[in-house]
Amino acid sequence: NAGVTQTPKFQVLKTGQSMTLQCAQDMNHNSMYWYRQDPGMGLRLIYYSASEGTTDKGEVPNGYNVSRLNKREFSLRLESAAPSQTSVYFCASSEVAGGSSYNEQFFGPGTRLTVL
Amino acid sequence: AQSVAQPEDQVNVAEGNPLTVKCTYSVSGNPYLFWYVQYPNRGLQFLLKYITGDNLVKGSYGFEAEFNKSQTSFHLKKPSALVSDSALYFCAVRDMSRGYGQNFVFGPGTRLSVLP
Repeated sequence: NAGVTQTPKFQVLKTGQSMTLQCAQDMNHNSMYWYRQDPGMGLRLIYYSASEGTTDKGEVPNGYNVSRLNKREFSLRLESAAPSQTSVYFCASSEVAGGSSYNEQFFGPGTRLTVL
Repeated sequence: AQSVAQPEDQVNVAEGNPLTVKCTYSVSGNPYLFWYVQYPNRGLQFLLKYITGDNLVKGSYGFEAEFNKSQTSFHLKKPSALVSDSALYFCAVRDMSRGYGQNFVFGPGTRLSVLP
């Protein structure tokens, strides 16, 4: 099993450009998440998808959109990149059963994004 | 609102000595607490979790954590540190405010350096 994979690993954008970060998991998990990691701030949730066909905003959703393409794939789109979106982006997945499961999340290797 | 504090940005310990990485939390309701580790240029890896039951939780790589409800703490411990334990450690609590889904609130992280 590859676990959670993310592409690309690195990206440099100019202000105003758009891009999509791809994430896929092969663990048949229901829930998927996008986080951003900034120094001294831990991880902050951008969007999550509790199950296929649903998405919801997290703590810092402004400037981002997501698509849960199918059970395996969850993409994050920056429509008009800004320097404040320079960060490391992590995708994660977890299994949720019956709404009362407290399973850990599995993380991808991250995408390091720089917006100039 | 759920929150997690890690009062130390950096912890230094000599190899072979015991280590402690501190975490305190604030939650409404029962706390569901997790520890993750992040090695350089990698995603987060799950170490252990407390859901209910025994206050001393054992996890991966010889780590354990002690849940203390009265002090609202969940400190990570290891009896004998290894140089390879040097990494960034995150404490996290499940965010119950969002209901369904495995949303977490992460602390800012503590960098552990084990000196040979």
